[in-house]
Order: sequence, then C-alpha cells, then structure tokens
Amino acid sequence: EAQVTQNPRYLITVTGKKLTVTCSQNMNHEYMSWYRQDPGLGLRQIYYSMNVEVTDKGDVPEGYKVSRKEKRNFPLILESPSPNQTSLYFCASSRQGWGTDTQYFGPGTRLTVL
Amino acid sequence: AQKITQTQPGMFVQEKEAVTLDCTYDTSDQSYGLFWYKQPSSGEMIFLIYQGSYDEQNATEGRYSLNFQKARKSANLVISASQLGDSAMYFCAMRLITGNQFYFGTGTSLTVIP
Repeated sequence: EAQVTQNPRYLITVTGKKLTVTCSQNMNHEYMSWYRQDPGLGLRQIYYSMNVEVTDKGDVPEGYKVSRKEKRNFPLILESPSPNQTSLYFCASSRQGWGTDTQYFGPGTRLTVL
Repeated sequence: AQKITQTQPGMFVQEKEAVTLDCTYDTSDQSYGLFWYKQPSSGEMIFLIYQGSYDEQNATEGRYSLNFQKARKSANLVISASQLGDSAMYFCAMRLITGNQFYFGTGTSLTVIP
C-alpha cells in the first residue's frame, strides 16, 4: 500500500530534550516536506526537500533540522524543543520536486513539549 | 509573496444541500496549482481536488467541484448533496509550478446538520 508513515504518532517530552520524528514514504517520491498545524494558523511549512541531499527552509524553520540521506526518509529533528513547538506535525511527499503534483500526507505526530 | 485566504472559519449546511467554501489566493505567477484537502476529526489530511492555472474547465471529482475564477483569483470548493461524513476541516492550498513550497489557508470548519 502506498503511504507516508510517521513515528511516533504521539509524543510528550520536556524542554531541551532532543527528539526525532521519523517520516518514510514508499512511493519513490522526490519531494518531501514537513508542516506544523496550529489552531487558527492552518499548515505552515517547516522544511522541504526536492531530492536526496537537497533541503531548504520553509516559512517556519527556526528550531528544527532535517536531513535527506535516502530518498524514502526525511526525519525532523528538534535539537532543543521548547513549549512553543507543541503542535501537530505532518510529513508529506509528492512525486516530483517541481510542478503541481499533489502531496500525500502522513497520519500526523502530536507533540507536546512541557 | 504567495498567500491563501479562507475567510470562513466555520460553516453549517443542512444534509443533502450544497455548500461553497471560499478560497482566494494571491500570486504574481501565471503557472500554479490549487488544491483542496479535507481533515476529519481523526486528523488525517485527505486530498480532494486539483485545479491547474491553465485548465480551462473547472475540476470535478464526484460530489466535489472547484469553481475557478482566475481573474478574481478565487478557487472555491463546492460540495453537492452534503453528507454527515463531510463534517471536517477543509484547507485550500497552492503550489507554484516553478516553486517548491506549498501555501495553505487557515481552513474552514464545515458542520453538516442532519
């Protein structure tokens, strides 16, 4: 089954404790992206990747890191999480790194930083 | 800068009636794609419909249609014959053909009343 998977689905952590949210897709998609969703703000793009070893900042990259060492994986790293990073996070992928392909979303990761 | 505006935070519709969810966008590019996604209370993001900026016909997918008015920069979603399962959050989004980012609106919460 074609899908985007994220782990963990739920995470409660404390300020300053490094964490990684994994994202994997099995569709051989070139483009992958991370979003955060906050009430009243919609989805905001954190980072995206056009292909392996190619990443770029979205609208809200501060406090986040990403890497794209393999085509299928695009982990999101919070080196020192803070309470304002409490949010619902989505990973998404699309077939090409350009053009107007739609994105396919993972199930979301609900992160709480105490 | 690109921007998506959804001015209806919440909408109500009677079951079996049609409803229009508004979306306006702002871009100086001529080539772009417009998307609508549905987010039910379970949280996943579901792709509904796509419209390319050069498509002459309005897109349709089952009970969903996109009322695309390029001169007005609007891309309203029309849901015909509403069902209880249509109750969800709906997001409008845009991607430039030359760009790498997706831009989302803040969403409209639709409630279908029996």
